[in-house]
Amino acid sequence: QSVLTQPPSASGTPGQRVTISCSGSSSSVVSNTINWYQQLPGTAPKLLISSNNQRSSGVPDRFSGSKSGTSASLAISGLQSEDEADYYCAAWDDSLNGPVFGGGTKLTVL
Amino acid sequence: QVHLVDSGGGLVKPGGSLRLSCAASGFTFSDYYMTWIRQAPGKGLEWVSDISGSSRYTNYADSVKGRFTISRDNAKNSLYLQMESLRADDTAVYYCARPVTRDGDSLPGYWGQGSLVTVSS
Repeated sequence: QSVLTQPPSASGTPGQRVTISCSGSSSSVVSNTINWYQQLPGTAPKLLISSNNQRSSGVPDRFSGSKSGTSASLAISGLQSEDEADYYCAAWDDSLNGPVFGGGTKLTVL
Repeated sequence: QVHLVDSGGGLVKPGGSLRLSCAASGFTFSDYYMTWIRQAPGKGLEWVSDISGSSRYTNYADSVKGRFTISRDNAKNSLYLQMESLRADDTAVYYCARPVTRDGDSLPGYWGQGSLVTVSS
């Protein structure tokens, strides 16, 4: 059971807006910032969002991140077929002294 | 630009050993903590270990503590993971990663392409 909880799946149609949630359950995690990663099939994860809401270089502004309290969200607007991927949130765990990841959300573009 | 190339994976029998390498370029290697993260087939991401820029500090996940050793050679811009007493549940793609910033608690920002380790008889 990860200390960061994500829904296992999400879906949307092209052009739609979808959000993926990431909820923290440990005091050693919830006060820290969240990164979001996109993993296309058969490839390494790629950083999308750092420090809750900072888009990485080259990431379209269709992707946005936010955090409120113990929960964070990744929003994807104007959904495109190439957005079909697994998405992971991550935070620093002060107890582990290392990063922890959510279980991942598989996004399907219908 | 930051470039990380993982190598050294392969098929190994239970109880065996393997050494992974990561060649880094495009940044001042010695300035950054470096991290190993793994992903079992069809599963999520799991942090394995990290090491400070000077090699003074190392940290391990409980699942690998006492069996894996992280090291680096700043003169060669290289990161290593020596894996001993391998078990079937160590089967995974292993990624080296560089954090976003130089801070010790910075999350991964750049990833290698991964190296597949399969532990099977």
